Amino acid sequence: GAVVSQHPSRVICKSGTSVKIECRSLDFQATTMFWYRQFPKKSLMLMATSNEGSKATYEQGVEKDKFLINHASLTLSTLTVTSAHPEDSSFYICSARMGGTDTQYFGPGTRLTVL
Amino acid sequence: AQSVTQPDIHITVSEGASLELRCNYSYGATPYLFWYVQSPGQGLQLLLKYFSGDTLVQGIKGFEAEFKRSQSSFNLRKPSVHWSDAAEYFCAVVMNRDDKIIFGKGTRLHILP
Repeated sequence: GAVVSQHPSRVICKSGTSVKIECRSLDFQATTMFWYRQFPKKSLMLMATSNEGSKATYEQGVEKDKFLINHASLTLSTLTVTSAHPEDSSFYICSARMGGTDTQYFGPGTRLTVL
Repeated sequence: AQSVTQPDIHITVSEGASLELRCNYSYGATPYLFWYVQSPGQGLQLLLKYFSGDTLVQGIKGFEAEFKRSQSSFNLRKPSVHWSDAAEYFCAVVMNRDDKIIFGKGTRLHILP
């Protein structure tokens, strides 16, 4: 149980385009979902926290207009990187947490490369 | 400030040898404690967690961790490593249920044949 999927696993796009990444909890309802960014050989950096039906809470320094997060249902959250630039190239990982619990379950990650 | 420290960036052990990965945290009270493993190009998989009770917790893949309040530590151990254990290991803490998770910087484990 507690499986989280991400789609796509890899995406390559041109500079200036937008990319949407989906995060799904497959066998549980995730009241809270998190989006992380991981730089090479670095730990995870929390970008934002989203609760179902509410606006996402962004961490300091993360541009909310650039990284659009939608958590429309208890099993799906999306991260849209708008007007992507090469510096947005990174590994993006989502996680999901069931209501009333303390454990986050992570997706397999999405490798974004912006040319 | 709250922090999680994994003092070893890289550790190399021989296959079949025992392993201990260190983790220390800096909090006023006992947080919720986790160990995650990340294989190259993959997401994080939960190995084990500690919330309360028995301070020695068993996890998946033969891993265990021991919470020591006096040392503010939550070290991960495995009696005999396998080549497939080569990965990045992250210690993480959550202070309260609704708080964000704080990760250590990770320890890269290398296995010698």
